[in-house]
Amino acid sequence: AQRVTQPEKLLSVFKGAPVELKCNYSYSGSPELFWYVQYSRQRLQLLLRHISRESIKGFTADLNKGETSFHLKKPFAQEEDSAMYYCALRGWGKLIFGTGTRLQVFP
Amino acid sequence: DGGITQSPKYLFRKEGQNVTLSCEQNLNHDAMYWYRQDPGQGLRLIYYSQIVNDFQKGDIAEGYSVSREKKESFPLTVTSAQKNPTAFYLCASSIVVGQRNTEAFFGQGTRLTVV
Repeated sequence: AQRVTQPEKLLSVFKGAPVELKCNYSYSGSPELFWYVQYSRQRLQLLLRHISRESIKGFTADLNKGETSFHLKKPFAQEEDSAMYYCALRGWGKLIFGTGTRLQVFP
Repeated sequence: DGGITQSPKYLFRKEGQNVTLSCEQNLNHDAMYWYRQDPGQGLRLIYYSQIVNDFQKGDIAEGYSVSREKKESFPLTVTSAQKNPTAFYLCASSIVVGQRNTEAFFGQGTRLTVV
């Protein structure tokens, strides 16, 4: 069965601190993994995907198949990073999401 | 603001009535999805469709029905059999390239309240 787990509901940090939002997945095949973000009063939108191996807004995420993880990291958090972050997995046409982590960055 | 449009933004219905939520996209996307978003539960997949005239149940399909008669439209009906229909509903679409889907684009959602 496909499953995405985000263990933290809320993550609070001060500006300039490192951030790591955890994501673990369960999938029997070769997964596609994504991070989506929802800023206040905005639509849910793609932040980054594992196949692109890109850095967006300073965020990176590495797929670790051994640990079945896809943690989202940023070395220095900014106040504008405050948002709801969802890890997502696509397999066999289904796109499923974790329960989300709210990131609060204090000044 | 084109792309993917959900209507209406707010919807009120009496208990026992069926209600249909609209989702239209002008992105020429093959795949469309319906999710339910509840506090603390993230997005849960209700139904999805990879191609016109075909759709599959997601993880919480009971009490819901869909149709995909046109590529651009994927309406969701919340039936009276859905035990807890009050929720925020999100629609999304994406291109299908080979066996891979690309980025999903989301609508702004419909908040359904059943009284």
